[in-house]
Amino acid sequence: ETGVTQTPRHLVMGMTNKKSLKCEQHLGHNAMYWYKQSAKKPLELMFVYNFKEQTENNSVPSRFSPECPNSSHLFLHLHTLQPEDSALYLCASSQAGDRAGNTIYFGEGSWLTVV
Amino acid sequence: QQQVKQSPQSLIVQKGGISIINCAYENTAFDYFPWYQQFPGKGPALLIAIRPDVSEKKEGRFTISFNKSAKQFSLHIMDSQPGDSATYFCAAIGSARQLTFGSGTQLTVLP
Repeated sequence: ETGVTQTPRHLVMGMTNKKSLKCEQHLGHNAMYWYKQSAKKPLELMFVYNFKEQTENNSVPSRFSPECPNSSHLFLHLHTLQPEDSALYLCASSQAGDRAGNTIYFGEGSWLTVV
Repeated sequence: QQQVKQSPQSLIVQKGGISIINCAYENTAFDYFPWYQQFPGKGPALLIAIRPDVSEKKEGRFTISFNKSAKQFSLHIMDSQPGDSATYFCAAIGSARQLTFGSGTQLTVLP
């Protein structure tokens, strides 16, 4: 148990569907992240929220829409995805500012398959 | 552009052997270098980390060696065990305070 909970763990969706991934952290952190993990590629940072404010959007297509209603919850809304978007989506949290020595804690991920 | 290059992509080691994973970076602004361990079906978990002002850090069977002039760092797993079989990621943090990950090394320790 890492203190970062992601749901659902597995999701299969069609290209015209709308779905959402949910993340909740129980660590008292104030920074939250979405990462994408594809086979044989480095972990890709997608979005960063510090104190509920988005501070990083790493050139992510608009079919991915994040939402951070409070410091403990983070959503990733998915709409009209492509098959190449199939991947493991990881949520993470840390103390804001991600200073050297601040550990980033990851959830177990949501496996997304786009058909 | 990949700022942290990791090798090898996969590694097979006999039980009791030494596993060595190497990383090289380009950005001299990086000032913290963590290693993450990821088991199948799990998210990455922090394993060990080093700052560039030290050349080596050891925690149990895991050691990071750091060469600042060469901009390289490596993870050594001594007395490797089958339970160490996982994917290992090196990473670096710079002035932007965001993690940049290597591409990962899939380690298999044979019993």
